[in-house]
Amino acid sequence: NAGVTQTPKFQVLKTGQSMTLQCAQDMNHEYMSWYRQDPGMGLRLIHYSVGAGITDQGEVPNGYNVSRSTTEDFPLRLLSAAPSQTSVYFCASSPGQIWGNQPQHFGDGTRLSIL
Amino acid sequence: AQSVTQLDSHVSVSEGTPVLLRCNYSSSYSPSLFWYVQHPNKGLQLLLKYTSAATLVKGINGFEAEFKKSETSFHLTKPSAHMSDAAEYFCVVSDPGYSTLTFGKGTMLLVSP
Repeated sequence: NAGVTQTPKFQVLKTGQSMTLQCAQDMNHEYMSWYRQDPGMGLRLIHYSVGAGITDQGEVPNGYNVSRSTTEDFPLRLLSAAPSQTSVYFCASSPGQIWGNQPQHFGDGTRLSIL
Repeated sequence: AQSVTQLDSHVSVSEGTPVLLRCNYSSSYSPSLFWYVQHPNKGLQLLLKYTSAATLVKGINGFEAEFKKSETSFHLTKPSAHMSDAAEYFCVVSDPGYSTLTFGKGTMLLVSP
């Protein structure tokens, strides 16, 4: 089972560049979300989606865009990369709402460095 | 508002000794509580969850946690540590009343031979 697949695994960008982090899941989950993980801060929610065509902001949305055209895919776009966006990014999916009693299924992460 | 406090940033144990990772939470409603484990360069994997059924919850790899409402705690334990348990552990509170999911800052478990 593939589960949640994130690409790329590593990326280095220059300040001001844009890029898209890809996320795909094969479990037919309605709910998907993006988190960033910084040392000593746990995971913080960037954006989430409750189904195709529906997205909403999380705790730290500034500088990021998302879209959800299909159930399977939930890409995260950095519009103009800044050093403060250096982080590890995780995509997750869930069969139930993210603040319910269903667990999240996580990808292996994208490690992003902004120079 | 809800919050999660993992009381130790690092815990060191010897292989074969008990493990205790502490988590306190605050929530205004009846929360769901989770423990996840993260191995190096991997995503988070569910260890166990509490969703208002039995207060003692058994998870994978011999871990268990006890929900204590009076103490607002959800500590993770394992009777005997194994080298493969070395990882970072996250306590997570899910609160439908506030539509929020809050992660603790993590506890790094170090296991020595």
